[in-house]
Amino acid sequence: DAGVTQSPTHLIKTRGQQVTLRCSPKSGHDTVSWYQQALGQGPQFIFQYYEEEERQRGNFPDRFSGHQFPNYSSELNVNALLLGDSALYLCASSLRDGPHYEQYFGPGTRLTVT
Amino acid sequence: AQSVTQLGSHVSVSEGALVLLRCNYSSSVPPYLFWYVQYPNQGLQLLLKYTSAATLVKGINGFEAEFKKSETSFHLTKPSAHMSDAAEYFCAVSLLPQGAQKLVFGQGTRLTINP
Repeated sequence: DAGVTQSPTHLIKTRGQQVTLRCSPKSGHDTVSWYQQALGQGPQFIFQYYEEEERQRGNFPDRFSGHQFPNYSSELNVNALLLGDSALYLCASSLRDGPHYEQYFGPGTRLTVT
Repeated sequence: AQSVTQLGSHVSVSEGALVLLRCNYSSSVPPYLFWYVQYPNQGLQLLLKYTSAATLVKGINGFEAEFKKSETSFHLTKPSAHMSDAAEYFCAVSLLPQGAQKLVFGQGTRLTINP
């Protein structure tokens, strides 16, 4: 059973560019959450998708947007990249109405903005 | 709004010694609490969770944590540290048990094990 997968593993972009990160949830999960983890910090919640709609959003600007596909996979898009967007981006999947409480995390995508 | 404070950004113990990582939470409603571990260049792995059942929770790799409502704490312990325990540890809180609820993380504690 494959866990949560993310691609790419690493990415280097220039300020002002746009980036798309991808996530495939654990088999059987229907909800995907995205987190940003800056160096030396705990992860911060960006947003969450369920039934192809954004259901919750953290304190992130509109430059951060996402999408969920019918197969539950998800994309995170960041426009007009800033140096401060350099971070590890983590995807987590879960089952919205299941008996389990935990979110399962992927290995992350390391984004470097130069 | 809920929040988590991890006391001590860096903890160092000797191999075989007791591990104690501190976590205090703030929540207006009964929380659900989690400890995650992150090894270098990897994602987060769930160690254990408290979801309003037993206050003493046992997790993987010999770790356990005790929920103390009066102290608003959820400290993580392990009786005997192993070199493989060296990692970053994060305490997190959510308001509801469903996996769909967002997690609020602490700043993390880096655990170093001395031989």
